[in-house]
Formats: sequence, C-alpha cells, structure tokens
Amino acid sequence: KNEVEQSPQNLTAQEGEFITINCSYSVGISALHWLQQHPGGGIVSLFMLSSGKKKHGRLIATINIQEKHSSLHITASHPRDSAVYICAAEETSGSRLTFGEGTQLTVNP
Amino acid sequence: NAGVMQNPRHLVRRRGQEARLRCSPMKGHSHVYWYRQLPEEGLKFMVYLQKENIIDESGMPKERFSAEFPKEGPSILRIQQVVRGDSAAYFCASSLQGALVKNIQYFGAGTRLSVL
Repeated sequence: KNEVEQSPQNLTAQEGEFITINCSYSVGISALHWLQQHPGGGIVSLFMLSSGKKKHGRLIATINIQEKHSSLHITASHPRDSAVYICAAEETSGSRLTFGEGTQLTVNP
Repeated sequence: NAGVMQNPRHLVRRRGQEARLRCSPMKGHSHVYWYRQLPEEGLKFMVYLQKENIIDESGMPKERFSAEFPKEGPSILRIQQVVRGDSAAYFCASSLQGALVKNIQYFGAGTRLSVL
C-alpha cells in the first residue's frame, strides 16, 4: 500500500463542472502539498496546508488531520485546468515529500 | 516558480557516459531537493541538500548517483555510467527554509534525461 494514495487516477469533466480529487496518507505529516503538473511537464505548487482549508481563485484545498485525508476542489472547471494534480505529504521527520501517483484531469469544452 | 532554473532541459547520453544535471535555486533559497519521475510513474524523492551539506539522501540509488550543493554555484546531480533505466525527468525544487519551518517548495522545469 502506498503511503499516499489519490483518487481517482483519471477524471474527465465537462467545462463548468465542480471537480473533487481526494488524497489519503498513512504517514505522519507536517504539511500536505497539492501540485499541478502541466502537459509540458512543469510543476507548480498550488497549496501547502497543515490544517483547515485554503482557497486560491477557483481552487480550494481542505485537510482533515484526524482522518488523514485531503481534498482538492476546482469550481467552474475550464479546459485550461486539464493537468495532472499531485498530492504530496511532507513527513514530520524532515522536508522530504512523498507523492501520490497523480490524478489526470481532462476538462472538455 | 520560474525562479528555479534547471539545465539542460533535455539531455541525451549513451550508456556508460556521465550525466550532470544543474539546478540554480530561487534567489535567497538555501535548500534544494532533487526528485525523479520515471516514465509512467509518480515523483520520487532523491536527496535534500543545504549549502555544502547533504541533509537526507535516503532516496538516492546506492551506486552511480551523487549530489552536491557547493557554497558557490548551482546544485549538481551527477549520474555516472548511465544505463537505460536512468531515463527519466529529474526535477529540482528549492525552499527558503528546511525541516523546522513549513514552507513551499518551488519547482524547476525539470531535466529530461534520455539514455540511448
């Protein structure tokens, strides 16, 4: 069993739909990161959170420490949101990140 | 994000050659991380360095791989005697502070290594 698991692996949506990507982790963490990897391969950090909820534009990330679960939501999805979304756990023992396998999101116009 | 500079973007090597991947962190950042993404696989941690120190190399293969982050200049990930299985995207990230303070890691665009 991976230490960080994401679901779904693949997600196809129509433009305007509300998107949810889930992440569960089994390690002790100091923070949970959400990253976006573009089709060209570049990686962008979207959120780093250790409790509660953060919002940036149409993106919302939440974390439940007790349940060891985090979600990334995208409201009013758009084709330009199409990318791989990666959840990563920053372990309490250090700064190394342990990554989920990623969720491939495709938003169709 | 554009502040972390990796070069080259693409590197082609023949089996047995050496590969040197460079990473210049964002200005003011003294913590560097290297990650590897094998084809069709997720990202995996390799090594975490501070200036002149290796903090955590638990993700580095035991042989042929080494990393450094000198006082002056970029961080270097060196792969000796490359094999086809080393073909992957290698990403560098930097942060302002390390383990004691939670902080964002900023990623470079990656170096795509192809071993022929």
